[in-house]
Amino acid sequence: DIQLTQSPSFLSASVGDSLTITCRASQGIGSYLAWYQQKPGKAPKLLIYAASTLQSGVPSRFAGSGSGTEFTLTINSLQPEDFATYYCQQLNSYPITFGQGTRLEIK
Amino acid sequence: QMVESGGGLVQPGGSLRLSCAASGFTFSDHYMVWVRQAPGKGLQWVGRIRDGPNDYTTEYAASVKGRFSISRDDSKNSVHLQMNSLKIEDTAVYYCARLYYHSGGFYADYWGQGALVTVSS
Repeated sequence: DIQLTQSPSFLSASVGDSLTITCRASQGIGSYLAWYQQKPGKAPKLLIYAASTLQSGVPSRFAGSGSGTEFTLTINSLQPEDFATYYCQQLNSYPITFGQGTRLEIK
Repeated sequence: QMVESGGGLVQPGGSLRLSCAASGFTFSDHYMVWVRQAPGKGLQWVGRIRDGPNDYTTEYAASVKGRFSISRDDSKNSVHLQMNSLKIEDTAVYYCARLYYHSGGFYADYWGQGALVTVSS
């Protein structure tokens, strides 16, 4: 199985900050990677697919990059609604796997 | 929009069937997926079902293979998750989601609100 390791697992930041979350795959997955945002008690929301394509309706302050084994999600100028948990997901091969999540909290 | 139903409390070894009713898009054109989340834990892919042109074939996570099965009824815009031989570790919120195809990958772009399944004696 392909393991995805997100770093950091926990992040504290302030409104207006910019930050980067990293997702490393245990083997190459091309660009078959998605990023999701999840708020407490809610379903995940697709932010980025194919490693760098912004899902329709998602603010442009979110950006994804990378290929192969290393990927990043960057959030510029954090807004209050961005405080949530973020997951990466690989779709290169079965079983489909998720990273363990990065919890973003307000400092 | 996707709306799950059928969750509840079941004893270990028991069975439960979740349903997911879809609306607002051409259901038969899309693969569908089930993802679960144990209390306080991360997301876990459960399995997916392809569309009719791809023979409605399915894949499952190893942890549920042989116990869970996914089916769909395109005439009713619904997908189902039959869960048998349930274990305590199957306790989770179960989400259904639509899969969107892009350049060889299938991405879950619309999700239901989730159905809680609790396995306990």
